[in-house]
Amino acid sequence: KQEVTQIPAALSVPEGENLVLNCSFTDSAIYNLQWFRQDPGKGLTSLLLIQSSQREQTSGRLNASLDKSSGRSTLYIAASQPGDSATYLCAVPPPGGGADGLTFGKGTHLIIQP
Amino acid sequence: NAGVTQTPKFQVLKTGQSMTLQCAQDMNHNSMYWYRQDPGMGLRLIYYSASEGTTDKGEVPNGYNVSRLNKREFSLRLESAAPSQTSVYFCASSELDSTYNEQFFGPGTRLTVL
Repeated sequence: KQEVTQIPAALSVPEGENLVLNCSFTDSAIYNLQWFRQDPGKGLTSLLLIQSSQREQTSGRLNASLDKSSGRSTLYIAASQPGDSATYLCAVPPPGGGADGLTFGKGTHLIIQP
Repeated sequence: NAGVTQTPKFQVLKTGQSMTLQCAQDMNHNSMYWYRQDPGMGLRLIYYSASEGTTDKGEVPNGYNVSRLNKREFSLRLESAAPSQTSVYFCASSELDSTYNEQFFGPGTRLTVL
């Protein structure tokens, strides 16, 4: 069974710092990996989807990398801002594809101090 | 486009009562999903529908039923609510494509069962 782990569970940093969130998964036969943001009491917003054929995907100050062989992905946030405070979740589809749902990590709760 | 919409936003039930959570998407996606999110457990898949006319169980289907009414709508029914079903329920949709099945989420329904 696929397992997804996110480290750290919580992170608090001063505004302006660059930071890295980590995601690991146990079954590397995935086609892609998706990063989400969740604000308190809200739904999930898709940030980036990185396909297995890609090594990196960028959107603004966000950069996601994927290393299938090691079962790891990182989300890099440059020049962090208080508005980046949220919970960040990574998720993977079923190994080998299919229409089953995503398997999620438990998230990293990020606080950016002004 | 509204994306994925869910009704109601909040609901309080007594044990044994029934209710239906509604979900609709306007992105012409084939696949739709129901997840629940609980503290410490993360997001878990309840049921999914790969395409109109099909439904399948996810990780935690007990106590729930679903109906894929048409391509746009996917409802989740609790026949006899239990306190263990207190949770936040999210609906999601995606295009059925193994390599690029980016999922988009609704705002959630916060359900309390007393």
